[in-house]
Amino acid sequence: DVKVTQSSRYLVKRTGEKVFLECVQDMDHENMFWYRQDPGLGLRLIYFSYDVKMKEKGDIPEGYSVSREKKERFSLILESASTNQTSMYLCASSFGGGNYGYTFGSGTRLTVV
Amino acid sequence: AQTVTQSQPEMSVQEAETVTLSCTYDTSENNYYLFWYKQPPSRQMILVIRQEAYKQQNATENRFSVNFQKAAKSFSLKISDSQLGDTAMYFCAFMTHYNNNDMRFGAGTRLTVKP
Repeated sequence: DVKVTQSSRYLVKRTGEKVFLECVQDMDHENMFWYRQDPGLGLRLIYFSYDVKMKEKGDIPEGYSVSREKKERFSLILESASTNQTSMYLCASSFGGGNYGYTFGSGTRLTVV
Repeated sequence: AQTVTQSQPEMSVQEAETVTLSCTYDTSENNYYLFWYKQPPSRQMILVIRQEAYKQQNATENRFSVNFQKAAKSFSLKISDSQLGDTAMYFCAFMTHYNNNDMRFGAGTRLTVKP
């Protein structure tokens, strides 16, 4: 069964901490994505990557950075966590064009206190 | 810019009955794809159904079917014979053929199936 795995289901971090959210896929997909999910707002794209070491900003990149050193792994980094970054974070991946849809991980619920 | 609107934040349906979730979208493109995703309490987003805009025939997957009205830019999801396991958040999503790294999502509809 193909998978996108997010390393943490729940995280609690303090304001100002550097936070790493990890995502690994085992499908050899080229494209990987980080979304943020908030009630009433749906999913909003933070960053995506179409190849190793390549990244593109999504709609809400401010306060975030990403790293893709290996094809299967895509990390989201909160350089200095703030309370307004408390949210659900979803990682996804897709093969080639992505027009058959994305495969999602189970999400990381991050609380910044 | 493409936008996706789900006007029903919450819906409920009795087990075994039929329910329709609404979705509209805005685009100037002619070639695109539409999706419905299900997010149960386990939080795993699951692709329910997919529609290609250039296909006139409405997509069907078992108890799930869509009513795709291209001119009206409408893409509703019909769930027949609702089951308790259908309880979930449902997201409508849109992606153009030419920018397939930019999937747009609606705000979601929370569906509760009542026994």
